Amino acid sequence: AQKVTQAQTEISVVEKEDVTLDCVYETRDTTYYLFWYKQPPSGELVFLIRRNSFDEQNEISGRYSWNFQKSTSSFNFTITASQVVDSAVYFCALSEASRVVQGAQKLVFGQGTRLTINP
Amino acid sequence: NAGVTQTPKFQVLKTGQSMTLQCAQDMNHNSMYWYRQDPGMGLRLIYYSASEGTTDKGEVPNGYNVSRLNKREFSLRLESAAPSQTSVYFCASGLYGTVQETQYFGPGTRLLVL
Repeated sequence: AQKVTQAQTEISVVEKEDVTLDCVYETRDTTYYLFWYKQPPSGELVFLIRRNSFDEQNEISGRYSWNFQKSTSSFNFTITASQVVDSAVYFCALSEASRVVQGAQKLVFGQGTRLTINP
Repeated sequence: NAGVTQTPKFQVLKTGQSMTLQCAQDMNHNSMYWYRQDPGMGLRLIYYSASEGTTDKGEVPNGYNVSRLNKREFSLRLESAAPSQTSVYFCASGLYGTVQETQYFGPGTRLLVL
C-alpha cells in the first residue's frame, strides 16, 4: 500500500537559517511520482515540484532544493536562508502509476509539516 | 484565467442538512478531484472524475456524492451532514501524461457541521 510519512509535525527556526523537511514514502510500484505542495496561512495549496521515480537528479530552484533518494525512499525538501514568507504548512504527496485511472492521478498526502520562520 | 474556483468559501450546517459544494476549472483539464483536509491527517481523496461523464470513489467516499456536470464543473454533495464532515474541502483538477502534470487546487471551502 502507498503511504507518505512526514514525521516532523512542526518546525520553528529563526530567519536565515537553513531548514530541511523530511518525507519518507512507501510504494510497491517501480513507477511513481512525488510532489511537494505549500499551504500558506491564506489556505490555498501551491504546487512546488514534481519528481518522477526514474529521475533521481536533485533539483534546485532558488533557495529551494529537493533531495530524492530511492535507496532510502525519501524526498526531502531544504530551504536555504529561510525567510518569514516561507512560513507555511508543507505537504509531500505520492502518486503511483498503477493507480492512474483513465488519466486520473490519485494523490496520497503526508500529514504535513508546519514550518514557522521567526524574524 | 481563474484556475480552480470553489463556492462557497465558508458554510455552517446543522446535522442532517444537505448542501452542494461547487467547483469549476478553466484550464481544460480532464480530471477533477475532491479532497478533505483534517488536522494532522493531510488531504484525503473523497471522489474523483477522470473525464466528463465518469466518477469514482476515493479513499473516504462515505456520506458524499458527486456530479461531473461537464468538463469544467465537478460538484460534491452532502445529503445529510454529520459533525464528522466538519473539514476543509479542496477541489483540484489536473492533466496526466504531460510535462505540466500535476494537480491544481482551488482555494478551499471551510465547512462546519453543528
